[in-house]
Amino acid sequence: QLQLQQSGPGLVKPSETLSLTCTVSGGSIISRSYYWGWIRQPPGKGLECIGTVDYSGSTYYNPSLKSRVTMSVDTSKNQVSLKLSSVTAADTAVYYCASLFCGGACYSAYFDYWGHGTLVTVSS
Amino acid sequence: DIQMTQSPSALSASVGDRVTITCRASQSISNYLNWYQQKPGKAPELLIYEASRLQSGVPSRFSGSGSGTDFTFTITSLQPEDSATYYCQQSYTTPLYTFGQGTKLQIK
Repeated sequence: QLQLQQSGPGLVKPSETLSLTCTVSGGSIISRSYYWGWIRQPPGKGLECIGTVDYSGSTYYNPSLKSRVTMSVDTSKNQVSLKLSSVTAADTAVYYCASLFCGGACYSAYFDYWGHGTLVTVSS
Repeated sequence: DIQMTQSPSALSASVGDRVTITCRASQSISNYLNWYQQKPGKAPELLIYEASRLQSGVPSRFSGSGSGTDFTFTITSLQPEDSATYYCQQSYTTPLYTFGQGTKLQIK
């Protein structure tokens, strides 16, 4: 069973870069069946998928955030990272990392393990 | 983009009741529809995948059905611990995954 441990600052200043790391245990991030996703949830609101990355570093970003997002992997540390640049108050949210199980060209894909979430507040 | 619309947005039911939540896609997504439960302050938890398959370890009172554009999530014999917000999520437009807006379920 995978466990995802998130780390990173809970407070970021406007215009700066949000950086979060997700350390995976209980399995390797080097997997043909798994991608690694970041999802965020503004306070009191719903879930938004920020993007996904696979073990080779291949990424997909939500078009609404694409210009500001960078995701990467460190296979030696079994970690996945998220960077979101030029943040504003609208980026205040709980950020989750999650494992995305992909079957059959990923049409069947679901987030089966989640980190605990990190509340990131954008404020000066 | 495919829009996912859940109904109702909120509901209240009593212990032992049967509860149904609907998720409608703006275009056909086959059976590529998942359901999650989120309790306050916690991460979402996968309950149902591919519209009707129960995730391992999830109680059998939870079930899902549907295909195409219309999907249903059902809890038979509602329990106090089922108080939560439920989300549907489509994976048809991989790798762009979208969630419904959520349905908040309260226990009377």
